[in-house]
Amino acid sequence: DTEVTQTPKHLVMGMTNKKSLKCEQHMGHRAMYWYKQKAKKPPELMFVYSYEKLSINESVPSRFSPECPNSSLLNLHLHALQPEDSALYLCASSHGPGLHQPQHFGDGTRLSIL
Amino acid sequence: ILNVEQSPQSLHVQEGDSTNFTCSFPSSNFYALHWYRWETAKSPEALFVMTLNGDEKKKGRISATLNTKEGYSYLYIKGSQPEDSATYLCAFPSGNTGKLIFGQGTTLQVKP
Repeated sequence: DTEVTQTPKHLVMGMTNKKSLKCEQHMGHRAMYWYKQKAKKPPELMFVYSYEKLSINESVPSRFSPECPNSSLLNLHLHALQPEDSALYLCASSHGPGLHQPQHFGDGTRLSIL
Repeated sequence: ILNVEQSPQSLHVQEGDSTNFTCSFPSSNFYALHWYRWETAKSPEALFVMTLNGDEKKKGRISATLNTKEGYSYLYIKGSQPEDSATYLCAFPSGNTGKLIFGQGTTLQVKP
C-alpha cells in the first residue's frame, strides 16, 4: 500500500469543467511533487513544493494551478483543459528536496478530457 | 539538456533467468542516481539512491552498481520471478531542487 494517497483514481471531465486532484501524505515529508505521465513515456515533472512554497514550475500552462494548503496536502486545480492533457497525474513526496532523497509516489489519477 | 538513457527498452526472460540492464547519464556534475520499479497498476517504488563511484546496493535479488566516471549504472536481477515484471526507471537529479530527469525505462517481462 502506498503511503501517498491520491484522489480521485479516475476523472473524466469536459473542457469547460473545473476539477481538482488531491494528494495527501502523513510521513512528515516537506517536499511534494506533481508529475504528468503519458502512455509509454517516463513521468515528467510539473511542479515542486518545498516547505509549502512553490519552488519549481516547469513552464506548465496556467490551466493547471497547484496549491499546497499545508505540509501534508497538495492539490492540483484544473480548468479549461485540452484533450492533450489526458494523462496519468502522479503525486510524490520526499523528506526534503535534496538530491539523495528517494521520492514516494501515489497511485496516480487517470485523467480523461472529453 | 540532461540526457538519461536506458537500454534495452524491453526485455523478455524466462523465470529463473538472471538479467541486467543499463542506465547512462552525464558523468560531469554527478550528484546521485535513483532507481525505481513501476509495476502495472501500482505506484513507482524507490529501489536505490546511489551516490558514490563504485557503489553497489542490494535489495533481495536486485542489485545495482554505479560508475560515475563513465556515466552508467547497471541493475541486476538474479533468478527473475514473474513478480519482477515491471518497468525499471532510473532518474538523475537536476541540481539540489528535487527535480528528477527520468530515463525512458526498461520494461521487463518474466515468463513463468
